Amino acid sequence: QQQVKQSPQSLIVQKGGISIINCAYENTAFDYFPWYQQFPGKGPALLIAIRPDVSEKKEGRFTISFNKSAKQFSLHIMDSQPGDSATYFCAASMEETSGSRLTFGEGTQLTVNP
Amino acid sequence: EAGVVQSPRYKIIEKKQPVAFWCNPISGHNTLYWYLQNLGQGPELLIRYENEEAVDDSQLPKDRFSAERLKGVDSTLKIQPAELGDSAVYLCASSLDVWGNEQFFGPGTRLTVL
Repeated sequence: QQQVKQSPQSLIVQKGGISIINCAYENTAFDYFPWYQQFPGKGPALLIAIRPDVSEKKEGRFTISFNKSAKQFSLHIMDSQPGDSATYFCAASMEETSGSRLTFGEGTQLTVNP
Repeated sequence: EAGVVQSPRYKIIEKKQPVAFWCNPISGHNTLYWYLQNLGQGPELLIRYENEEAVDDSQLPKDRFSAERLKGVDSTLKIQPAELGDSAVYLCASSLDVWGNEQFFGPGTRLTVL
């Protein structure tokens, strides 16, 4: 059951450009939307996260834009650098009686060319 | 601060053999997660522990998979017998509590079943 759909599957950007990755969700009960970054041979690491009470959150070069009515959110990486080359996963969770459970998208492999 | 530790990092076994993975979470983290990550996919939750109690094991294939978290600290995930389709990366993650949304992931164990 795919509750979080992510696109594109892969993305190639030139150094200094803007990388944009999109996610769409189905369950309106989701209330937490993080982005994780994963390098080869490593586990995912939290990059930035947003809750639905705000439409945008910025941390350094990374920005999440959130559209509650469209049930979509996106990650923007400004001034993309070769070191940003990694796989990015969007995720969503909601609080249940037993806690929160993250549902991940399928991932976007980003390559930033020098 | 030490991160989530997993061992082994790589494991190659013949089908029908048993295999076990070990995880030591970040000190003080009460919640521990086991995820399965297939190649080119996002992590999928297998089981979630709060202290020593499995609070969400609905996605764990209980006919061949088992897990334990004795004393509420480190944890072991076992597969017996392994099948070809079990080849994947098995990730362990931890968080402060079951409501804590930031999960810290270990590097994973890459399992190859021949």
